[in-house]
Amino acid sequence: NAGVTQTPKFRVLKTGQSMTLLCAQDMNHEYMYWYRQDPGMGLRLIHYSVGEGTTAKGEVPDGYNVSRLKKQNFLLGLESAAPSQTSVYFCASSQGGDVNTEAFFGQGTRLTVV
Amino acid sequence: AQSVTQLDSQVPVFEEAPVELRCNYSSSVSVYLFWYVQYPNQGLQLLLKYLSGSTLVKGINGFEAEFNKSQTSFHLRKPSVHISDTAEYFCAVTTLGFQKLVFGTGTRLLVSP
Repeated sequence: NAGVTQTPKFRVLKTGQSMTLLCAQDMNHEYMYWYRQDPGMGLRLIHYSVGEGTTAKGEVPDGYNVSRLKKQNFLLGLESAAPSQTSVYFCASSQGGDVNTEAFFGQGTRLTVV
Repeated sequence: AQSVTQLDSQVPVFEEAPVELRCNYSSSVSVYLFWYVQYPNQGLQLLLKYLSGSTLVKGINGFEAEFNKSQTSFHLRKPSVHISDTAEYFCAVTTLGFQKLVFGTGTRLLVSP
């Protein structure tokens, strides 16, 4: 049981380059989330999805786009990377948005923009 | 909007000693509270959560937390820590669901022999 898998685990980008981070879950969860984790700031929600074909903005959505074409996958895109997007990105999923369920997190993607 | 404060960025402690990691929150409505642990190079894992009922919540790995509404706190405790407890611990709060979950800045627990 893989749970939540993020690809890639590490990446270095040059300013202005684009890339896509992939999150895959095998638990048939409806909800999926993308967070960024920065030193001294905890995790902040970028975008989330409540089901296949849906996306919504979180706390810090600027500079990112997402897509949920398949239920098991949630993609996070950076169209033109900036040094301010250097961070560790975490994906999570949950069966529902209700707190009676549990959110499961991936191992993270460490992105450096130079 | 709700917020979470973890006052201690780092807590050093010796093995087998007790530890308390502090978490305070602010919200004008009822909250749900969580503690997550992040081991090095891994994702977050749920330690415990308070939704309702008993204010003393027991979690995995011998951790427990107490919800104190009057002091707006949800401190995490363990009576005797192990080296393997070395990790970063995050307190989080929401008034709705996971899409409104707000995380604290984290506390790094360093357990030494």
